[in-house]
Amino acid sequence: EAGVAQSPRYKIIEKRQSVAFWCNPISGHATLYWYQQILGQGPKLLIQFQNNGVVDDSQLPKDRFSAERLKGVDSTLKIQPAKLEDSAVYLCASSSSGTRYNEQFFGPGTRLTVL
Amino acid sequence: GQQVMQIPQYQHVQEGEDFTTYCNSSTTLSNIQWYKQRPGGHPVFLIQLVKSGEVKKQKRLTFQFGEAKKNSSLHITATQTTDVGTYFCAHTPSGTYKYIFGTGTRLKVLA
Repeated sequence: EAGVAQSPRYKIIEKRQSVAFWCNPISGHATLYWYQQILGQGPKLLIQFQNNGVVDDSQLPKDRFSAERLKGVDSTLKIQPAKLEDSAVYLCASSSSGTRYNEQFFGPGTRLTVL
Repeated sequence: GQQVMQIPQYQHVQEGEDFTTYCNSSTTLSNIQWYKQRPGGHPVFLIQLVKSGEVKKQKRLTFQFGEAKKNSSLHITATQTTDVGTYFCAHTPSGTYKYIFGTGTRLKVLA
């Protein structure tokens, strides 16, 4: 079974630039999560999709972050404009359903550095 | 909301020693999941606990959910260098389907 795919693996940009990350979840997984993990901290949920609908985006900085999962499969997360404090690893995860008893499978992450 | 705290933040052990990390909450938890993240890697699911007082074992790892469902522990017997990494607990706040991760415990094993 193929795992969660993410690209790019690394990205370096200057502040005020824009950036986009892509995630392809495990085939058949209805739920997709985007997390932000700052160095030395636990992952923080940014947004959760169930199929192509948003379940939770309460911690997404909506003035600069946006995400979509148009066809209920792969997803993109965008930051525009980026700030220095956005430097982090952006993790995508998927699970077979959105219940609270499903394990999440994480992708390798995209390491973003904002200069 | 409903942040869970993990202690200790860091732990260095000699290979062969035991290790325990604790996940504590001020409120009752509906479930606890444990993940391991190797240095430079991504979190990998280890186990989920949902019942009061539940104990589960995976080889040298023992996971426990407190009777009051406010705390959980992960115990590793006779650590090996392959156990190096950060261990996170995570839970789902009641009324939601999202996961809140703890602060993590970073384990170093000295050979």
